[in-house]
Amino acid sequence: DAGVTQSPTHLIKTRGQQVTLRCSPKSGHDTVSWYQQALGQGPQFIFQYYEEEERQRGNFPDRFSGHQFPNYSSELNVNALLLGDSALYLCASSPRGGGGNIQYFGAGTRLSVL
Amino acid sequence: QKEVEQNSGPLSVPEGAIASLNCTYSDRGSQSFFWYRQYSGKSPELIMFIYSNGDKEDGRFTAQLNKASQYVSLLIRDSQPSDSATYLCAVTGGGNKLTFGTGTQLKVEL
Repeated sequence: DAGVTQSPTHLIKTRGQQVTLRCSPKSGHDTVSWYQQALGQGPQFIFQYYEEEERQRGNFPDRFSGHQFPNYSSELNVNALLLGDSALYLCASSPRGGGGNIQYFGAGTRLSVL
Repeated sequence: QKEVEQNSGPLSVPEGAIASLNCTYSDRGSQSFFWYRQYSGKSPELIMFIYSNGDKEDGRFTAQLNKASQYVSLLIRDSQPSDSATYLCAVTGGGNKLTFGTGTQLKVEL
């Protein structure tokens, strides 16, 4: 049984570019959350998707947007990349019917913005 | 004041000892409490969650919650070198947003 899978594992972009990160939740999970983790910090909540809608959002600018598909997979899009967007981006999924607060993380996508 | 506070460490304990990791939180409305383990260069791994005051045990791990004092702790019995990692405390309030501390680095020494 595959866990939460994220792609790509590493990505290098330049300032001003746009990036799309992808996440497939664990089997039996229907809720996907995205986090940004800078070096030496705890993960910061970006947003959570459930039933293809953004259910809750953290303190991130509109440059960060997302989508959830009918098969529960999700994308995170970041526009107009800044140097400060360099971080580990984590996707977490939650079991169906669980309310979304128990979250299991994927391996992450490490984004470097040059 | 940070929402979730942890001592960054490193906390060093000898192999076989009990490691005690602590976390305080500022929002009295916090409802769910989680401990994640994160090895260097890896993603967080859920170890324990606790909702009610008291202790919850799972193998060598015990989570303790005291809502009146707004703290949650994690005890690791019979610590092993493989337990060396950063331990992240996280809480949720009314929604499902996990608010994390910056983590405590644990080193288990031979």
